[in-house]
Amino acid sequence: AQSVAQPEDQVNVAEGNPLTVKCTYSVSGNPYLFWYVQYPNRGLQFLLKYITGDNLVKGSYGFEAEFNKSQTSFHLKKPSALVSDSALYFCAVRDINYGQNFVFGPGTRLSVLP
Amino acid sequence: EAQVTQNPRYLITVTGKKLTVTCSQNMNHEYMSWYRQDPGLGLRQIYYSMNVEVTDKGDVPEGYKVSRKEKRNFPLILESPSPNQTSLYFCASRTPGLNTEAFFGQGTRLTVV
Repeated sequence: AQSVAQPEDQVNVAEGNPLTVKCTYSVSGNPYLFWYVQYPNRGLQFLLKYITGDNLVKGSYGFEAEFNKSQTSFHLKKPSALVSDSALYFCAVRDINYGQNFVFGPGTRLSVLP
Repeated sequence: EAQVTQNPRYLITVTGKKLTVTCSQNMNHEYMSWYRQDPGLGLRQIYYSMNVEVTDKGDVPEGYKVSRKEKRNFPLILESPSPNQTSLYFCASRTPGLNTEAFFGQGTRLTVV
């Protein structure tokens, strides 16, 4: 069965430091991987996706993510965190064996401290 | 502006009183879905629709109904709400395909007492 794990409930980082939000997945076919961000009292906003090709994917707001097939991971990264990056981050996966539907991870709350 | 609109944003109701949460999108997307978000569980799909008059159960459909009479609208119906349906609900839409991202509404926070 498809699943997504985000091993950290909470990540704290100082402003200006690099940040990483971790995601690992389990699928039976080729994964289509997504990151979404949820700001307080808002819906989810799309950040970036991996479909095929280059393992390093660049997205919105300076975020990027690295696909690692051997480790079945898709970690979200940013070189220099901003206080405004504080939010809830969700990793999600789709694969052809699960039809059209997303499987979401439980979410990681990122706090960037000034 | 491309958007998914849900109403209401907040709702407090009593057990057993039927309610409907509306969802409308202006992007002509074929695919729409409903999720509930609970702490530590992420988003779980309730129902989805691949086009008008085509709906199917997601992972947690019990206690919910949906309909898709028009392409832009996908209401979520709770015929007899119970306290375990207290949650944050999101509607989403997208075009078909494994590589397409979804657009989400602002969310509806439902409390059933």
